[in-house]
Amino acid sequence: ELKVEQNPLFLSMQEGKNYTIYCNYSTTSDRLYWYRQDPGKSLESLFVLLSNGAVKQEGRLMASLDTKARLSTLHITAAVHDLSATYFCAVDMEGGGADGLTFGKGTHLIIQP
Amino acid sequence: DTGVSQDPRHKITKRGQNVTFRCDPISEHNRLYWYRQTLGQGPEFLTYFQNEAQLEKSRLLSDRFSAERPKGSFSTLEIQRTEQGDSAMYLCASSPGHYSNQPQHFGDGTRLSIL
Repeated sequence: ELKVEQNPLFLSMQEGKNYTIYCNYSTTSDRLYWYRQDPGKSLESLFVLLSNGAVKQEGRLMASLDTKARLSTLHITAAVHDLSATYFCAVDMEGGGADGLTFGKGTHLIIQP
Repeated sequence: DTGVSQDPRHKITKRGQNVTFRCDPISEHNRLYWYRQTLGQGPEFLTYFQNEAQLEKSRLLSDRFSAERPKGSFSTLEIQRTEQGDSAMYLCASSPGHYSNQPQHFGDGTRLSIL
C-alpha cells in the first residue's frame, strides 16, 4: 500500500524566513504533485514533478523530486503572509499520471508578520 | 475558463437519508475522480472514470457508496442510508487522461453534514 508522509504537519514561521517541507513516499512513482489549500477552499495545483531530479520554481516556492530517495521537497524562500495555507503532496498510485492520487496529511503553514 | 463544478456546495441531512452529489468536469477532460476529505486530513481517493467507464471502485468506502458517469460527461456520487461518519467534504477532480503532464483539477467540493 502506498504511503505518503509529510513533515512537519504544522509550521509557524515569521515573514522573511526560509523553510522546507518534506514529502516521503513508500513505493516507486514517476510523478509527484504539490497542491495548496486555503481554509474552506478546494485544492490548487502548484507543481507537477515528472522525473528524477526535476526542479520547478514559482515565485517564492521551489519544489524538487528525488525518485531514488522517494523524497520531494517544497522550499519557501523569504516567506510572506499570503503563503499561509495547507500544502499537500500527492503521489500517483499506479503511475502514468491518470489514476487516483494518494495524499499526505498536509503541512499547515502559518506565516506571521 | 470553466473549471470543475460541483453541486450542491453544502448538504445537510438527517442520518439514514440518501444523498446525491453532482460533478461537471472540465469539458475536454476524459478522466473524472471522486475524493473524500475529512477535517485535518488529505483527500482520500474513492473512485474514477475514463469517459463513462468506472475503472476503479474498490476504494469506495462501503456498498452504500456508488458513482455513475452515464454519458461520459457529468458524474454523480450517491450515498445511501447516510451515517454520522459520512460527514466530510466530497471533492471531484478531472484530468485529460493517461500520461498527461497536467495535474488533476479539483472542484470546490460538496460539504456534507449528517445530523
